[in-house]
Amino acid sequence: AQSVTQLDSQVPVFEEAPVELRCNYSSSVSVYLFWYVQYPNQGLQLLLKYLSGSTLVESINGFEAEFNKSQTSFHLRKPSVHISDTAEYFCAVSAFSSGGYQKVTFGTGTKLQVIP
Amino acid sequence: DTGVSQDPRHKITKRGQNVTFRCDPISEHNRLYWYRQTLGQGPEFLTYFQNEAQLEKSRLLSDRFSAERPKGSFSTLEIQRTEQGDSAMYLCASSPRLAGPDTQYFGPGTRLTVL
Repeated sequence: AQSVTQLDSQVPVFEEAPVELRCNYSSSVSVYLFWYVQYPNQGLQLLLKYLSGSTLVESINGFEAEFNKSQTSFHLRKPSVHISDTAEYFCAVSAFSSGGYQKVTFGTGTKLQVIP
Repeated sequence: DTGVSQDPRHKITKRGQNVTFRCDPISEHNRLYWYRQTLGQGPEFLTYFQNEAQLEKSRLLSDRFSAERPKGSFSTLEIQRTEQGDSAMYLCASSPRLAGPDTQYFGPGTRLTVL
C-alpha cells in the first residue's frame, strides 16, 4: 500500500516570493512521483514527474521538485511565484499493482494563493 | 492532438435518479481510469480498463456504480439510484500502453450534484 501526505492545505505567498509545497510519501515498493496542478474549474494537469534518473525534475513554468528517497519526500519549489500560479497542487505516487497497472494515490492537495 | 474529454461537464440530479457520464480518452491510449474527487480531497481511484477489459475496481465502487468500455475506446460510468453522498467531481484519465511507468492524462471532469 502507498500513501501521500501533503501537510499544508493552504499556502499564501506574496508575488515574486519563493514557495515550497511539501509532499511526503510512504510505500513498500519503488514508486514514481508526480505533481499535478488544478486551476479553478479545470481538470488536473501534469506539472512534473520523477520516473528515474536525475532526482531533480523541472517543469516548463519554473517549478522544480527533488526526489529524496531517504526522507521519502518530493517537495515542490519555485524561486519566484506569479499570480497565475494560484491553483491547487496535488502530489501523487504510483506503483505497479498486482494487476499489472499503475495504481496512483493522490495527496489531499495544497492550495497556493499568490498575493499581489 | 485532443486531450481527454468528458461529457457532461456538470450534472444536477435529484436523489434516486440514474445518471451516466461519458469519457473519451486520448486516441490510441489503451488504459482508462475513473476517479472521484470530493471537496477538499485528492482524486480517489474507482476503476481501471485496459482496452475493453475492466481489470480493477475499488471498494469505493458500490453496486450502484457500473462502468463500461465496450469497444476499448470511450467509457461510460453509470450511477443508479443516486444519493447525496455521490455528489463529487468524477474524473477520467487515460494513459498509453508502455512497458514501463506511464503518465495519466486527465479530463476536465464531470461535476455531479445530487439534490
